[in-house]
Amino acid sequence: GAVVSQHPSRVICKSGTSVKIECRSLDFQATTMFWYRQFPKQSLMLMATSNEGSKATYEQGVEKDKFLINHASLTLSTLTVTSAHPEDSSFYICSAPLGAGGSYEQYFGPGTRLTVT
Amino acid sequence: GNSVTQMEGPVTLSEEAFLTINCTYTATGYPSLFWYVQYPGEGLQLLLKATKADDKGSNKGFEATYRKETTSFHLEKGSVQVSDSAVYFCALSITGRRALTFGSGTRLQVQP
Repeated sequence: GAVVSQHPSRVICKSGTSVKIECRSLDFQATTMFWYRQFPKQSLMLMATSNEGSKATYEQGVEKDKFLINHASLTLSTLTVTSAHPEDSSFYICSAPLGAGGSYEQYFGPGTRLTVT
Repeated sequence: GNSVTQMEGPVTLSEEAFLTINCTYTATGYPSLFWYVQYPGEGLQLLLKATKADDKGSNKGFEATYRKETTSFHLEKGSVQVSDSAVYFCALSITGRRALTFGSGTRLQVQP
C-alpha cells in the first residue's frame, strides 16, 4: 500500500528556535497534502492544506507566518514552526490522498512529536 | 459545516466482550465515512470505510454501517481482544481528495 513518511519522528527544541518537519509520499505523487495537529488525548485538527506549486491554504485561527508550509515537489511537503514556543508542543501529522476518479483514500504519516522547552 | 461526534471514552472492556463505539455526523453534501485506529506510539491507520448510505465497512472483525437516516456510523466488534486496545477515530470527508474531519477519538482498553 501507499506509504507516507515524516521526519523527524521526535524533536526537542528551545523556545525561539525554528523546526522543520518533512512529509514525504514514498511511492506516489501528491499535489495536495494536509497538515494536522493533535494535542494529547484530543482529536486531529486540520491546520492547513499544502498545494504543490501554489500557496498553502490555512484553516481559520492558524498563523501562516508561524507555520510555514512549502510543497517543494510532488512528493514532499515541509512544515516549519518558526519562533517556537512551549504552547506549540504537539503531535503533528501529515496526510496525502491517493486515488482516481471519485475514489480517494488518505494516507497518514506516523507523526512528529514536537517538544519546545 | 461538517462535524463528527463520538462517544467519550475511555471504554474499558474485558476480553471477548462486545464493543460499540457510537459516531454521528453532520455534513453538507454526501460524505464518505471512516474509522481510523491509532495504536500506542503509532500513526493513524485506516480501519474501515463506507462511501454511501447502507454500505457496511468491515475489517479485522470490526464493522460499521453507514446510516443516512440517523446520520450514524457506529463501530462494532463482536469479541474484542487485548490487542484491540487503541484510540479509535471516526471521520468524514466530502470528497476523497479533501481533508478529513475527525471526531474526538475514543480510547478503548481491553483487559485480559
